[in-house]
Amino acid sequence: DQQVKQNSPSLSVQEGRISILNCDYTNSMFDYFLWYKKYPAEGPTFLISISSIKDKNEDGRFTVFLNKSAKHLSLHIVPSQPGDSAVYFCAASAKRNTDKLIFGTGTRLQVFP
Amino acid sequence: EAQVTQNPRYLITVTGKKLTVTCSQNMNHEYMSWYRQDPGLGLRQIYYSMNVEVTDKGDVPEGYKVSRKEKRNFPLILESPSPNQTSLYFCASSLSWGPQHFGDGTRLSIL
Repeated sequence: DQQVKQNSPSLSVQEGRISILNCDYTNSMFDYFLWYKKYPAEGPTFLISISSIKDKNEDGRFTVFLNKSAKHLSLHIVPSQPGDSAVYFCAASAKRNTDKLIFGTGTRLQVFP
Repeated sequence: EAQVTQNPRYLITVTGKKLTVTCSQNMNHEYMSWYRQDPGLGLRQIYYSMNVEVTDKGDVPEGYKVSRKEKRNFPLILESPSPNQTSLYFCASSLSWGPQHFGDGTRLSIL
């Protein structure tokens, strides 16, 4: 069963607008979440993380929101730039118990001019 | 330059022929881990290591072995590769928990 789900395989956004990438999880033990960006032919790049004791974390143009009751997190990119076009993965871990990391299947973001 | 280096980058081999994918990092990181990426399945963690001689299974460890004898190296070993291990593999490292630096990947094809 897929414990971390990214239900939108792709997303297209105009340059300068907000991109919102969503991620849902089923395991209530997950307490730490990360987002990664991946360009073709490269390894993933770490973007931002959030602990379950917070509901928001911000780093420049990237903000992650966590809604524990809904088991949902989202990554907001504002403003979106063409260089943001990539595949985005969310990942989760029950860090208090294990260092095992579970990834979603990814969302391909395309930012057009 | 801080980097995670994987070798080889590409390999085509046959079922049952043991192979090793090397991973080396020059950042003195404690944490290292291995992942595979498959279409429609995203990234899946194979093994991780929190320090020298400390390793543990990730989400899909079957058919793989790892060792961490030195802090900088974390090789992935396929003792008897099978076609279902054809995939794109990534090694990663970080100073603390949560992979932060990834290698450029190794594409394995097992016939």
